[in-house]
Amino acid sequence: DGGITQSPKYLFRKEGQNVTLSCEQNLNHDAMYWYRQDPGQGLRLIYYSQIVNDFQKGDIAEGYSVSREKKESFPLTVTSAQKNPTAFYLCASKPGQGNNQPQHFGDGTRLSIL
Amino acid sequence: GESVGLHLPTLSVQEGDNSIINCAYSNSASDYFIWYKQESGKGPQFIIDIRSNMDKRQGQRVTVLLNKTVKHLSLQIAATQPGDSAVYFCAEKADSWGKLQFGAGTQVVVTP
Repeated sequence: DGGITQSPKYLFRKEGQNVTLSCEQNLNHDAMYWYRQDPGQGLRLIYYSQIVNDFQKGDIAEGYSVSREKKESFPLTVTSAQKNPTAFYLCASKPGQGNNQPQHFGDGTRLSIL
Repeated sequence: GESVGLHLPTLSVQEGDNSIINCAYSNSASDYFIWYKQESGKGPQFIIDIRSNMDKRQGQRVTVLLNKTVKHLSLQIAATQPGDSAVYFCAEKADSWGKLQFGAGTQVVVTP
């Protein structure tokens, strides 16, 4: 079945460590997004990519980095510069840029600090 | 600044009743809106969307109403079932690239 796969489901980070969250989609979507969700709150945009080899900062990009080397993959690295990384991270994709179509989400990665 | 928000953080509904979830938006230029359902530990699931040239759109047991005059969006769920218990988010398209601005969410609790 087509969909968005995020891994791992749970991840633990030590102080000073960088960790990378995986997001893979087989929907042939051009655009991909990373959101952060804190308990009882909505989604905040970290980074997004409209096309391969291009990405833009969202509202809360500090302490995060991304790459988009392949259409199917949009990994997110949470760097040691992100001082409050504990959150639920959600990846999404949609067919193209500028059109009125919904984003489709994976089932998230929950990141915690050891 | 421009934002999307919800009136009620928690909505308790008796099984079989209809649910109404409300959302206010402030960007009058927004032309596309989406409702998502999020169950515990999962990602948001698309429910229904509506474009600004429409006032109403119906799906299976759900209806979205858009009132552009007062910048208000609502989601109606008919004959609410236990499986409808979740957090519901509204979102508006924030720019021409399809970036979405999400509200804080409403927790819907269905009681027997």
